[in-house]
Amino acid sequence: DAGVTQSPTHLIKTRGQQVTLRCSPKSGHDTVSWYQQALGQGPQFIFQYYEEEERQRGNFPDRFSGHQFPNYSSELNVNALLLGDSALYLCASSLWRGGGEQFFGPGTRLTVL
Amino acid sequence: EDQVTQSPEALRLQEGESSSLNCSYTVSGLRGLFWYRQDPGKGPEFLFTLYSAGEEKEKERLKATLTKKESFLHITAPKPEDSATYLCAVQAENYGQNFVFGPGTRLSVLP
Repeated sequence: DAGVTQSPTHLIKTRGQQVTLRCSPKSGHDTVSWYQQALGQGPQFIFQYYEEEERQRGNFPDRFSGHQFPNYSSELNVNALLLGDSALYLCASSLWRGGGEQFFGPGTRLTVL
Repeated sequence: EDQVTQSPEALRLQEGESSSLNCSYTVSGLRGLFWYRQDPGKGPEFLFTLYSAGEEKEKERLKATLTKKESFLHITAPKPEDSATYLCAVQAENYGQNFVFGPGTRLSVLP
Protein backbone atom coordinates (compact mmCIF):
# COMPACT_ATOMS: atom_id res chain seq x y z
CA ASP A 1 0.00 0.00 0.00
CA ALA A 2 1.67 3.18 -1.22
CA GLY A 3 1.78 6.02 1.22
CA VAL A 4 1.69 9.70 0.34
CA THR A 5 4.02 10.58 -2.51
CA GLN A 6 5.30 14.01 -3.55
CA SER A 7 7.26 15.31 -6.50
CA PRO A 8 9.76 16.66 -7.12
CA THR A 9 12.02 15.96 -4.13
CA HIS A 10 14.04 19.13 -4.53
CA LEU A 11 13.57 22.27 -6.58
CA ILE A 12 15.65 25.39 -7.09
CA LYS A 13 13.99 28.52 -8.49
CA THR A 14 14.81 32.21 -8.74
CA ARG A 15 12.80 35.12 -7.39
CA GLY A 16 9.73 35.96 -9.47
CA GLN A 17 9.39 32.51 -11.00
CA GLN A 18 6.43 30.19 -10.57
CA VAL A 19 6.49 26.62 -9.23
CA THR A 20 4.12 23.63 -9.16
CA LEU A 21 4.40 20.85 -6.59
CA ARG A 22 2.51 17.58 -6.82
CA CYS A 23 1.04 15.13 -4.32
CA SER A 24 -0.65 11.74 -4.49
CA PRO A 25 -2.57 10.80 -1.34
CA LYS A 26 -2.48 7.50 0.51
CA SER A 27 -4.72 4.87 -1.08
CA GLY A 28 -8.31 5.29 0.11
CA HIS A 29 -7.88 8.87 1.30
CA ASP A 30 -9.99 11.67 -0.18
CA THR A 31 -8.62 14.84 1.45
CA VAL A 32 -5.31 16.60 0.85
CA SER A 33 -3.77 19.35 2.97
CA TRP A 34 -0.64 21.37 2.25
CA TYR A 35 1.81 22.72 4.81
CA GLN A 36 4.90 24.92 4.67
CA GLN A 37 7.73 24.14 7.08
CA ALA A 38 10.56 26.61 7.52
CA LEU A 39 13.84 25.35 8.96
CA GLY A 40 13.60 24.69 12.68
CA GLN A 41 9.86 25.40 12.88
CA GLY A 42 6.67 23.38 12.94
CA PRO A 43 4.62 23.03 9.74
CA GLN A 44 2.15 25.84 8.93
CA PHE A 45 -1.17 25.09 7.29
CA ILE A 46 -1.63 26.50 3.75
CA PHE A 47 -4.94 25.00 2.56
CA GLN A 48 -7.01 21.84 2.35
CA TYR A 49 -8.87 20.22 -0.57
CA TYR A 50 -11.82 17.86 -0.57
CA GLU A 51 -14.10 16.99 -3.48
CA GLU A 52 -11.93 19.19 -5.74
CA GLU A 53 -12.73 22.31 -3.69
CA GLU A 54 -10.62 24.38 -1.33
CA ARG A 55 -12.30 23.80 2.03
CA GLN A 56 -10.07 25.76 4.35
CA ARG A 57 -7.19 28.17 4.01
CA GLY A 58 -4.47 29.33 6.37
CA ASN A 59 -2.85 32.76 6.50
CA PHE A 60 -1.09 32.62 3.13
CA PRO A 61 -1.33 35.16 0.27
CA ASP A 62 -3.14 34.57 -3.01
CA ARG A 63 0.19 33.75 -4.64
CA PHE A 64 -0.39 30.31 -3.17
CA SER A 65 -3.07 28.37 -5.03
CA GLY A 66 -3.98 24.75 -5.45
CA HIS A 67 -6.03 22.18 -7.20
CA GLN A 68 -7.40 18.73 -6.53
CA PHE A 69 -8.10 16.26 -9.33
CA PRO A 70 -10.85 13.62 -9.58
CA ASN A 71 -8.34 10.92 -8.54
CA TYR A 72 -7.74 12.92 -5.30
CA SER A 73 -4.20 13.94 -6.24
CA SER A 74 -3.33 17.59 -5.74
CA GLU A 75 -1.08 20.40 -6.89
CA LEU A 76 0.28 23.42 -5.06
CA ASN A 77 1.19 26.43 -7.18
CA VAL A 78 3.21 29.39 -5.99
CA ASN A 79 3.53 32.49 -8.18
CA ALA A 80 6.02 35.36 -8.00
CA LEU A 81 8.39 33.47 -5.73
CA LEU A 82 10.08 35.33 -2.88
CA LEU A 83 13.22 34.38 -1.00
CA GLY A 84 11.02 33.74 2.05
CA ASP A 85 9.16 30.99 0.19
CA SER A 86 12.19 28.73 0.61
CA ALA A 87 10.96 25.87 2.80
CA LEU A 88 9.96 22.21 2.94
CA TYR A 89 6.47 21.83 1.48
CA LEU A 90 4.52 18.96 2.94
CA CYS A 91 1.43 17.26 1.63
CA ALA A 92 -0.80 15.32 4.03
CA SER A 93 -3.70 13.04 3.21
CA SER A 94 -6.66 12.03 5.35
CA LEU A 95 -10.25 10.90 5.28
CA TRP A 96 -12.79 13.72 5.33
CA ARG A 97 -15.00 11.65 7.64
CA GLY A 98 -12.18 9.96 9.53
CA GLY A 99 -10.65 10.31 12.96
CA GLY A 100 -8.60 13.37 12.01
CA GLU A 101 -5.24 11.68 11.49
CA GLN A 102 -3.19 13.13 8.64
CA PHE A 103 -0.42 11.16 6.96
CA PHE A 104 2.44 13.12 5.49
CA GLY A 105 4.54 12.68 2.40
CA PRO A 106 8.32 13.12 2.32
CA GLY A 107 8.04 16.74 1.26
CA THR A 108 9.46 18.91 -1.51
CA ARG A 109 12.44 21.10 -0.58
CA LEU A 110 12.07 24.43 -2.43
CA THR A 111 15.00 26.81 -2.57
CA VAL A 112 14.45 30.30 -3.97
CA LEU A 113 17.60 32.18 -5.00
CA GLU B 1 -5.18 33.62 20.70
CA ASP B 2 -5.04 29.87 20.04
CA GLN B 3 -1.55 28.49 20.25
CA VAL B 4 0.55 25.39 20.77
CA THR B 5 3.88 25.43 22.58
CA GLN B 6 6.38 22.67 23.23
CA SER B 7 9.13 22.28 25.81
CA PRO B 8 11.96 21.83 26.03
CA GLU B 9 13.16 23.16 22.68
CA ALA B 10 15.95 20.57 22.67
CA LEU B 11 16.76 17.61 24.91
CA ARG B 12 19.87 15.47 25.17
CA LEU B 13 19.56 12.10 26.90
CA GLN B 14 21.90 9.23 27.51
CA GLU B 15 20.72 5.89 26.18
CA GLY B 16 18.36 4.40 28.79
CA GLU B 17 17.66 7.73 30.49
CA SER B 18 13.86 8.19 30.56
CA SER B 19 12.26 11.64 30.20
CA SER B 20 9.12 13.50 29.09
CA LEU B 21 8.33 16.07 26.42
CA ASN B 22 5.58 18.63 26.96
CA CYS B 23 2.97 20.09 24.59
CA SER B 24 0.77 22.87 25.96
CA TYR B 25 -2.21 24.22 24.07
CA THR B 26 -4.76 26.98 24.38
CA VAL B 27 -7.58 26.33 21.93
CA SER B 28 -11.34 26.39 22.14
CA GLY B 29 -13.01 23.06 21.60
CA LEU B 30 -10.20 20.54 21.19
CA ARG B 31 -11.12 17.86 18.67
CA GLY B 32 -7.86 15.95 18.85
CA LEU B 33 -4.17 16.17 19.73
CA PHE B 34 -1.67 14.40 17.51
CA TRP B 35 1.98 13.44 18.04
CA TYR B 36 4.41 13.05 15.16
CA ARG B 37 8.07 12.13 14.83
CA GLN B 38 10.14 13.90 12.16
CA ASP B 39 13.61 12.92 10.98
CA PRO B 40 15.78 15.61 9.34
CA GLY B 41 14.63 16.50 5.81
CA LYS B 42 11.68 14.07 5.92
CA GLY B 43 7.94 14.32 6.43
CA PRO B 44 6.38 13.86 9.88
CA GLU B 45 5.54 10.27 10.84
CA PHE B 46 2.26 9.73 12.71
CA LEU B 47 2.58 8.37 16.25
CA PHE B 48 -0.59 8.92 18.32
CA THR B 49 -4.01 10.56 18.45
CA LEU B 50 -5.57 11.63 21.77
CA TYR B 51 -9.15 12.89 21.92
CA SER B 52 -10.06 13.49 25.56
CA ALA B 53 -8.47 14.30 28.91
CA GLY B 54 -7.27 11.20 30.72
CA GLU B 55 -6.60 9.27 27.54
CA GLU B 56 -3.28 7.42 27.15
CA LYS B 57 -1.68 5.67 24.18
CA GLU B 58 1.47 3.51 24.08
CA LYS B 59 3.79 2.31 21.36
CA GLU B 60 7.07 0.59 22.14
CA ARG B 61 9.12 3.02 24.31
CA LEU B 62 6.65 5.91 23.84
CA LYS B 63 3.58 6.78 25.88
CA ALA B 64 1.37 9.81 25.25
CA THR B 65 -1.03 11.30 27.80
CA LEU B 66 -3.53 14.15 27.64
CA THR B 67 -4.96 16.61 30.16
CA LYS B 68 -7.24 19.60 29.54
CA LYS B 69 -4.31 21.94 28.94
CA GLU B 70 -1.35 19.79 27.91
CA SER B 71 -0.02 16.51 26.62
CA PHE B 72 3.10 14.61 27.57
CA LEU B 73 5.16 12.24 25.50
CA HIS B 74 7.02 9.94 27.86
CA ILE B 75 10.07 8.14 26.51
CA THR B 76 11.18 5.12 28.52
CA ALA B 77 14.74 3.78 28.20
CA PRO B 78 15.37 5.60 24.90
CA LYS B 79 17.76 4.31 22.24
CA PRO B 80 19.84 6.36 19.77
CA GLU B 81 17.31 5.55 17.03
CA ASP B 82 14.71 7.55 18.97
CA SER B 83 16.65 10.72 18.10
CA ALA B 84 14.35 12.98 16.06
CA THR B 85 12.16 16.06 16.34
CA TYR B 86 8.84 15.35 18.04
CA LEU B 87 5.94 17.54 16.94
CA CYS B 88 2.52 17.91 18.48
CA ALA B 89 -0.47 19.27 16.58
CA VAL B 90 -4.02 20.15 17.60
CA GLN B 91 -7.31 20.14 15.76
CA ALA B 92 -9.93 22.48 17.19
CA GLU B 93 -13.56 23.09 16.39
CA ASN B 94 -12.93 26.49 14.81
CA TYR B 95 -10.08 25.22 12.60
CA GLY B 96 -12.07 22.60 10.77
CA GLN B 97 -9.76 19.72 9.95
CA ASN B 98 -6.48 21.56 9.73
CA PHE B 99 -3.68 21.21 12.25
CA VAL B 100 -1.95 23.85 14.33
CA PHE B 101 1.55 22.55 15.05
CA GLY B 102 3.89 23.35 17.88
CA PRO B 103 7.53 24.21 17.11
CA GLY B 104 8.77 20.74 18.10
CA THR B 105 11.28 19.27 20.55
CA ARG B 106 14.63 18.09 19.14
CA LEU B 107 15.61 14.92 20.96
CA SER B 108 19.13 13.53 20.85
CA VAL B 109 19.84 10.17 22.49
CA LEU B 110 23.54 9.50 22.96
CA PRO B 111 24.92 5.94 23.08
